[in-house]
Amino acid sequence: ITLKESGPTLVTPTQTLTLTCSFSGFSLSTTAVAVGWLRQPPGKTLEWLALIYWDDDKRYNPSLERRLTIAKDTYRDQVVLTMTNVDPVDTATYYCAHKQDNSDWSLLFDYWGQGTLVTVSP
Amino acid sequence: DIVVTQSPDSLAVSLGERATINCKSSQSILYNSNNKNYLAWFQQKPGQPPRLLIYLASIRESGVPDRFRGSGSGTDFTLTISSLQAEDVAVYYCQQYYATPPEFGQGTKVEIK
Repeated sequence: ITLKESGPTLVTPTQTLTLTCSFSGFSLSTTAVAVGWLRQPPGKTLEWLALIYWDDDKRYNPSLERRLTIAKDTYRDQVVLTMTNVDPVDTATYYCAHKQDNSDWSLLFDYWGQGTLVTVSP
Repeated sequence: DIVVTQSPDSLAVSLGERATINCKSSQSILYNSNNKNYLAWFQQKPGQPPRLLIYLASIRESGVPDRFRGSGSGTDFTLTISSLQAEDVAVYYCQQYYATPPEFGQGTKVEIK
């Protein structure tokens, strides 16, 4: 299983950020599979952002839900995250990750992409 | 939200000695129906993504050396590195995944003394 994030490295405040996760080694058409997005500001801890399941069910961190949209393209093996109205505090390394197949509600990620650093600055 | 707090923030241990990191959750993350603790440990080296070491508080992920041991239940958990190796220098995070949103601790930096 591998995942790789792509997107802009620099975004202007108030713009919309769009990130793409391209993955291999699994399919988002398989029952119980899910992919999530997390981020890590420089020198700080990790924050979970959003998750999408094989059946298109979606979960969002309540603290950011109104700004986030997650979507999947099963045929391209990709998951896209959009974040509206970005601010310098959104500067972080953004990771996509595979949810562990534990067949329950819990959100644990066992495979991670290398991450992409996004800087929000005028 | 269930918050997890780690201690200490950093520690320096001699090669071959034991390193111990603690993690405390703001409420119990033991699911009584299956008697499992939804607590994981990650290792992160500079410039790398987090690596899953331990899940369900004490189960080592495939390929993780057995010098890494997770223990604890309810609200108090521990990651022990029994004999610190040079390649173990990293930041370690605990994560609760009992509730949504999952939350990570602030991290513990492990260095060589």
